[in-house]
Amino acid sequence: SYELTQPPSVSVSPGQTARITCSGIALPGQYGYWYQQKPGQAPVLVIYKDNERPSGIPERVSGSRSGTTVTLTISGVQAEDEADYYCQSTDSSGTVAFGGGTKLTVL
Amino acid sequence: QVQLQESGPGLVKPSQTLSLTCSVSGGSINSGVYSWSWIRQPAGKGLEWIGRVYPSGSTNYNPSLKSRVTISVDTSKNQFSLRLSSVTAADTAVYYCARERFGQLLEQRSYYHFYYMDVWGKGTTVTVSS
Repeated sequence: SYELTQPPSVSVSPGQTARITCSGIALPGQYGYWYQQKPGQAPVLVIYKDNERPSGIPERVSGSRSGTTVTLTISGVQAEDEADYYCQSTDSSGTVAFGGGTKLTVL
Repeated sequence: QVQLQESGPGLVKPSQTLSLTCSVSGGSINSGVYSWSWIRQPAGKGLEWIGRVYPSGSTNYNPSLKSRVTISVDTSKNQFSLRLSSVTAADTAVYYCARERFGQLLEQRSYYHFYYMDVWGKGTTVTVSS
């Protein structure tokens, strides 16, 4: 089965930069995607196709890729960014895989 | 703005079939660039993709659930549905429906399909218990 690996938790102080990694994105031909999920709410897409931002997502949220690892970067972290973040990709058969999720704590 | 709303029983008995419907409003389910997916999340755990249906009725399922899952679409009602048979307590979860954007990427002279969920429903909790 297709597996994506994320760190279980990341902690940063307000105003600092948070980086969350996701390894295992298949090559060639697949992108990484990121979702933010706050308690009791549905996930929200924050990054698509490795580094594209949907409308309404602030510029301080960005994505990047190096080889089979994608990274979600949140600059100038605010209290409202505290959430679970999930990466997602697809295998060659179209099966969707999610990473295990990373809990971002704003200290 | 497209909105999705899940509906169905919140309690299902073990060994029975879980049935949920997702109603799509603010846009047509019959679009050439979207498929429609179900995802679930047990309490305190991560997301698990269940499967998708295209407006044509074609489906793809997670191999781990394929033997028990049926996803169908009713374009006349702008709805799609999930059936999961022979449920156990392990199927207790919040079930989400989502709109899935798909496309093709040409890389190294081969085409690859990509998928991502750009609109989600609020989710519905299903408990499997006698």
